[in-house]
Parts: sequence; structure tokens; C-alpha cells
Amino acid sequence: AQSVTQPDIHITVSEGASLELRCNYSYGATPYLFWYVQSPGQGLQLLLKYFSGDTLVQGIKGFEAEFKRSQSSFNLRKPSVHWSDAAEYFCAVGGGTSYGKLTFGQGTILTVHP
Amino acid sequence: GAVVSQHPSWVICKSGTSVKIECRSLDFQATTMFWYRQFPKQSLMLMATSNEGSKATYEQGVEKDKFLINHASLTLSTLTVTSAHPEDSSFYICSARETGLSTDTQYFGPGTRLTVL
Repeated sequence: AQSVTQPDIHITVSEGASLELRCNYSYGATPYLFWYVQSPGQGLQLLLKYFSGDTLVQGIKGFEAEFKRSQSSFNLRKPSVHWSDAAEYFCAVGGGTSYGKLTFGQGTILTVHP
Repeated sequence: GAVVSQHPSWVICKSGTSVKIECRSLDFQATTMFWYRQFPKQSLMLMATSNEGSKATYEQGVEKDKFLINHASLTLSTLTVTSAHPEDSSFYICSARETGLSTDTQYFGPGTRLTVL
């Protein structure tokens, strides 16, 4: 069965600091990987996605993620965090025979200190 | 990116009444849409997969007679919570699946906050 683990429930960083959110997945086929961001009371916004090709993918708002098959990881990074990045971040895996279904991690809440 | 809308954004209803939530893909056609439920401080729980022109597929434990799903067109899916009760109060989010040669991505609506009194 497929699964996604986001080991960090809550992360706090200072504005301007770098950020890395961890995501590990278990999937029986070639995964499609996604990062979404959710602000309080809102839906999910797609930050970036990986299907194939270059393992370093660029997304919106200055985010990037690197797919590492050997480590079954898809960590999200940003070199300099802005206060507006405070939100909850979800990693998700799908693809193959899942018929579009996604499996989500539990989410990581990001707090940004001024 | 693709845009998905939901209506209403919030609704308050009395126990025993039914509530309909609409999900629309605004700039692409979606043969598949998904309905999720999200409890406070938790991740999304998939309720059902809505396929245009056919019956929805419900996840285990989801009552199909309580949560009626209709996907009447390639841009619209509706979720009707029938005979709502306070325990149905939640945040409901839909997504629309965009597929193509090199893409298979879900785009999410802004969610609907349902409160049942």
C-alpha cells in the first residue's frame, strides 16, 4: 500500500532563513509526487509536482523539491522564507494505477518568526 | 494553474436538512473529481471519486446514501449531504483531475465549511 510520511508536524523558522520540509513515500510503481500548501480555512494550492525527468523541480513562490529515488524522498526547500509562507504543507503521492487518487502525508505546519 | 471553484464557501443548516455543495473546474474539463473531508488539524480524507457520466466510487466507511455525488458534466460535480447532523459538520474540499500526455494533477477548490446546528 502506498503511504506518505512527513516526519515534522511543526517547524518554526525565522524570516529570511532557509527551509527544508521532509517527505518520504512508499509506492509500488513510479510515483507522481506533489507538494501542496494550505492557508487556514482555504483549499490546497499546488506548489510543484514531479512526474519524470529532472529530479530537481522548481515550483511557485520560490520553492523547489528534489526527488531521490534511492531514499524514497521528495523534500521541499526554499532558500529564504517570507512571513507569508506560514501555512500548512502537504506532500502527496499518486500515479500509476491509482487512477488519479492521491495519498497525503499528515502535513507540516510552518511558523515564521519575524 | 488550473482553477477550481466551490460554492458555497460556508453554510449553516439545521439538523435534518440537506445541503448541496458545487465544485466546478473553470478552465479545463475534468472527467474525474474527488471529494475530501478535512477535520481540524488533520490531513485530507478522501470520501469519494466522482466520474462524469457514471456512479461515484466511495471510500470504505463513507455512506453513499448520506453523501450523494452527481457529476453531470465535465466541469461540475455536486456533493449533497442528506439529512445532515452535527457530526457532519466539517470542511469539505473538492478537487478536479487534469490529465494529459505529461500531466496527471489534482487542482483543489477553496473548500466549503459546513456547520450543522
